[in-house]
Amino acid sequence: AQSVTQLDSQVPVFEEAPVELRCNYSSSVSVYLFWYVQYPNQGLQLLLKYLSGSTLVESINGFEAEFNKSQTSFHLRKPSVHISDTAEYFCAVSVVGTGGFKTIFGAGTRLFVKA
Amino acid sequence: DGGITQSPKYLFRKEGQNVTLSCEQNLNHDAMYWYRQDPGQGLRLIYYSQIVNDFQKGDIAEGYSVSREKKESFPLTVTSAQKNPTAFYLCASNILEGTQPQHFGDGTRLSIL
Repeated sequence: AQSVTQLDSQVPVFEEAPVELRCNYSSSVSVYLFWYVQYPNQGLQLLLKYLSGSTLVESINGFEAEFNKSQTSFHLRKPSVHISDTAEYFCAVSVVGTGGFKTIFGAGTRLFVKA
Repeated sequence: DGGITQSPKYLFRKEGQNVTLSCEQNLNHDAMYWYRQDPGQGLRLIYYSQIVNDFQKGDIAEGYSVSREKKESFPLTVTSAQKNPTAFYLCASNILEGTQPQHFGDGTRLSIL
């Protein structure tokens, strides 16, 4: 069965430091990969996605993620975080199943940026 | 602007009461979803619908019911059979194609009185 594992439940980091949020998935078929961000008491917003082509994808606010097929990973990185990046981040995969495509979410990683 | 509207933002349930959470979308999406979010557990799928008048159980459907009479609307009823309903409920929708991300509403927080 397909699954998504976010290896860290919480990541505290100082402002302007780099950060990496780790995501591994298990699937024997091709997948599409997504990172979402959730601010307190809000829904999830798409941060970036990997569909095909270049394995490095970027968002408009400085985050990037790299698809590594051999390691089945899709880690999220940012070279310098801001206080406003404090949020919960969810990794998700979309895989084809018997009833069509299914999206599987990881348990989330809470990023806490300290001044 | 297109989007998903969930209402109410906060909801309180008494013992033995059914409550209904509203979800409306104007994105013309075929598929709609309900998730339950508890701290540290990520999102768990309750029900989903890929077409009007049809819906499927997700991973934790017991104690919940849904309807899909219109493409734009996918209300969720939390019944009295759901013994632990306190959670944050999220509605989402997308185009039925694997490359398309899900769009989310801002959620409803349900608490027990």
